[in-house]
Amino acid sequence: GAGVSQSPSNKVTEKGKDVELRCDPISGHTALYWYRQSLGQGLEFLIYFQGNSAPDKSGLPSDRFSAERTGGSVSTLTIQRTQQEDSAVYLCASSLVGTSVFDEQYFGPGTRLTVT
Amino acid sequence: AQSVAQPEDQVNVAEGNPLTVKCTYSVSGNPYLFWYVQYPNRGLQFLLKYITGDNLVKGSYGFEAEFNKSQTSFHLKKPSALVSDSALYFCAVREEAGAGKSTFGDGTTLTVKP
Repeated sequence: GAGVSQSPSNKVTEKGKDVELRCDPISGHTALYWYRQSLGQGLEFLIYFQGNSAPDKSGLPSDRFSAERTGGSVSTLTIQRTQQEDSAVYLCASSLVGTSVFDEQYFGPGTRLTVT
Repeated sequence: AQSVAQPEDQVNVAEGNPLTVKCTYSVSGNPYLFWYVQYPNRGLQFLLKYITGDNLVKGSYGFEAEFNKSQTSFHLKKPSALVSDSALYFCAVREEAGAGKSTFGDGTTLTVKP
């Protein structure tokens, strides 16, 4: 596709349920990032992938959060036993990491998660 | 550890006036600095970046930013603001080559009034 896509765009779930958020990066982009943006807050780094491996998982808030990437493309962020404080917009970004080692990130539209 | 500070939550300017959105950073090595913009109901978009070379970097939509190593700053500027520049602006820093964690500031809301 032309840009980074994320699904669903909106998700409302009950406290305690599990959710899966999906990210389709730009074709050919080797790096993929997940961020969380709470209302009125900046971007909180969660995890990034280089290919299918995740060198830096330092931002995952708890062991209820996990992420995987398969085939160097699609990534899924899973939140188990959701809590109300998980409510936020979850953003995915990808970057080329090719000719320039400091490639900028291209962001998807985000998934707005509401935990009731 | 790397960090970014955007000291102003809100910046208000009149259309046609110059604008500045401030950013300061802290890294242990060489800084690689980025500005992104988030328009209402739209995703974040890349504006410009500083990697090395000239301290004045020019980017999209007429924006530019000045890297100042002694003041550890990377302020975003535009000579003449437009109402359509009203948005949320994020400064980000990275200190690793290749793929790596970028640390974002908390964002500054720019409002340009007619």
